[in-house]
Amino acid sequence: SQTIHQWPATLVQPVGSPLSLECTVEGTSNPNLYWYRQAAGRGLQLLFYSVGIGQISSEVPQNLSASRPQDRQFILSSKKLLLSDSGFYLCAWSVWAGNEQFFGPGTRLTVL
Amino acid sequence: EDKVVQSPLSLVVHEGDTVTLNCSYEVTNFRSLLWYKQEKKAPTFLFMLTSSGIEKKSGRLSSILDKKELFSILNITATQTGDSAVYLCAVDNYGQNFVFGPGTRLSVLP
Repeated sequence: SQTIHQWPATLVQPVGSPLSLECTVEGTSNPNLYWYRQAAGRGLQLLFYSVGIGQISSEVPQNLSASRPQDRQFILSSKKLLLSDSGFYLCAWSVWAGNEQFFGPGTRLTVL
Repeated sequence: EDKVVQSPLSLVVHEGDTVTLNCSYEVTNFRSLLWYKQEKKAPTFLFMLTSSGIEKKSGRLSSILDKKELFSILNITATQTGDSAVYLCAVDNYGQNFVFGPGTRLSVLP
């Protein structure tokens, strides 16, 4: 069966510090991968999606970036965090675009 | 711009009540609509709807889609405290991703 992992579960970082959140999927090959952010009281906002290794599409301009160095690994990064980057970050995978997505446990990021 | 709207944003009921959650959408190209339940952390998948008028059921939950009027409803009968969660509606617009609504926060009181 497929499983999706995210770490860390929670993170508190100062403004201006770097960020690296990792997501890995097990039990499937060549999944579509997604990074979402959920700010308090708002719906999920798609940040990045990837259909294959090294293929990243960005949905919103921001100081975040994503990379997919391996088939089942998706990384969300920032060189300098802003206060507005605080939120709940979810990684998800799907077999292909249009299929239901399965979400990881999420990372709660607080930027102080 | 593609948009998904959910109502109400928040709802408080007592155990045993029946609730109806609404989702309306405006997208340039519609492929499917999905419902998710989000409790403390990650959303879990409930239903995927692609055709109008066909009800999908899972236990006390059911959902139906109206592609002419561009909306879907999620019904929960005989609610239980374990139904307390945020219910998210998302639309696949033939892109590589989904457009999510803001969610409906349901609180079921004992």
